[in-house]
Amino acid sequence: QSALTQPASVSGSPGQSITISCTGTSSDVGAYNYVSWYQQHPGKAPKLMIYDVSKRPSGVSYRFSGSKSGNTASLTISGLQVEDEADYYCSSYTRSITWVFGGGTKLTVL
Amino acid sequence: EVQLVESGGGLVQPGGSLRLSCAASEFTFSSYWMHWVRQAPGKGLVWVSRIKGDGSHTIYADSVKGRFTISRDNAKNTLYLQMNSLRAEDTAVYYCVRDNDVWAFDIWGQGTFLTVSS
Repeated sequence: QSALTQPASVSGSPGQSITISCTGTSSDVGAYNYVSWYQQHPGKAPKLMIYDVSKRPSGVSYRFSGSKSGNTASLTISGLQVEDEADYYCSSYTRSITWVFGGGTKLTVL
Repeated sequence: EVQLVESGGGLVQPGGSLRLSCAASEFTFSSYWMHWVRQAPGKGLVWVSRIKGDGSHTIYADSVKGRFTISRDNAKNTLYLQMNSLRAEDTAVYYCVRDNDVWAFDIWGQGTFLTVSS
């Protein structure tokens, strides 16, 4: 199972919006609405930010939103804040009854 | 507070074995599917294995199939990962993770680090 494709890095200024893409195949991202997104600060465990493509767990800021079109999912962060600087990973359930992650995207808040 | 605490990591020689443990607290452990996810130094997250709440069903990533065994003891609220025939490429932080019932990972442990080296 190949990793989902994410851009290696994205950047933005405080207050701006950014979008991170996550491209898979018809066997994973395109097959189900079981795409999730995780935020990971250096040296810390990942944190669930979005599940089921666009749902936010309790306690996650409304500034984080998700969407999907075909085999590509996206995470949008609006009103960028310094504390949003972190690595972001997408994940998808697959037809093989396994899970696959993206390679990760490093977000820099300039 | 809902919590997962891993233990058992360390330094192992290639070909060796090790068992990781994960103690769960403040939730009904037996009701949840559980996973192991790993992260090699400086690399991304990789899903390893999953087990059903009652332990009746397990599945593995191809990279560990036949070498790793996931299990659980619901009486002890503990998840395990038995790792045999270890290779250098198994070196990673191993996270114990709870499934939120819709195939996402909502609770993560702090991780335990495994180094496979001679």
